[in-house]
Amino acid sequence: NAGVMQNPRHLVRRRGQEARLRCSPMKGHSHVYWYRQLPEEGLKFMVYLQKENIIDESGMPKERFSAEFPKEGPSILRIQQVVRGDSAAYFCASSPSRDGPSPLHFGNGTRLTVT
Amino acid sequence: RKEVEQDPGPFNVPEGATVAFNCTYSNSASQSFFWYRQDCRKEPKLLMSVYSSGNEDGRFTAQLNRASQYISLLIRDSKLSDSATYLCSGTYKYIFGTGTRLKVLA
Repeated sequence: NAGVMQNPRHLVRRRGQEARLRCSPMKGHSHVYWYRQLPEEGLKFMVYLQKENIIDESGMPKERFSAEFPKEGPSILRIQQVVRGDSAAYFCASSPSRDGPSPLHFGNGTRLTVT
Repeated sequence: RKEVEQDPGPFNVPEGATVAFNCTYSNSASQSFFWYRQDCRKEPKLLMSVYSSGNEDGRFTAQLNRASQYISLLIRDSKLSDSATYLCSGTYKYIFGTGTRLKVLA
């Protein structure tokens, strides 16, 4: 399957623990976007990365959240000291280029539940 | 003003009806625009790209109006299976609208 792969599909963490979400882009795509979606709400942009670089993190909370896309391996979204408000679906998407003209391709998401 | 705006709905329409959604954008930098469909608790999936000349795919027609900065999606002969949330996005920063919920009623 050459699509965007996210894992885990479901992640349960207790308050104060760390959550690590992984995303492997489509083959040939070097641009990765992370979005958060709360129940009954739209997709909220979090961060845009290229290999080894964070290009735009304007949508990321200033504390506890970080993202990386190393030269080798998947992109990681890391949430430290999770709180109940972090419970959401986190989607990753990839594209072959910046700012188009191609559409994004989405992974099937990670549903984070903080208890 | 939000970068991409959509009427959240819900739009409740009977089977067979024609329904149209608009999506307005504030930044003209996007090269291309897209409509995505999102089913409950699933990932968004590309429905169709939107071109200035307009494009049609079966019952779906998408149009782009750069002068007025909006894109539209028209669904003809609605089916129950069209019930979903429809999201729009441009390629500039790939920012999405909040989505428009459509419910097609039997």
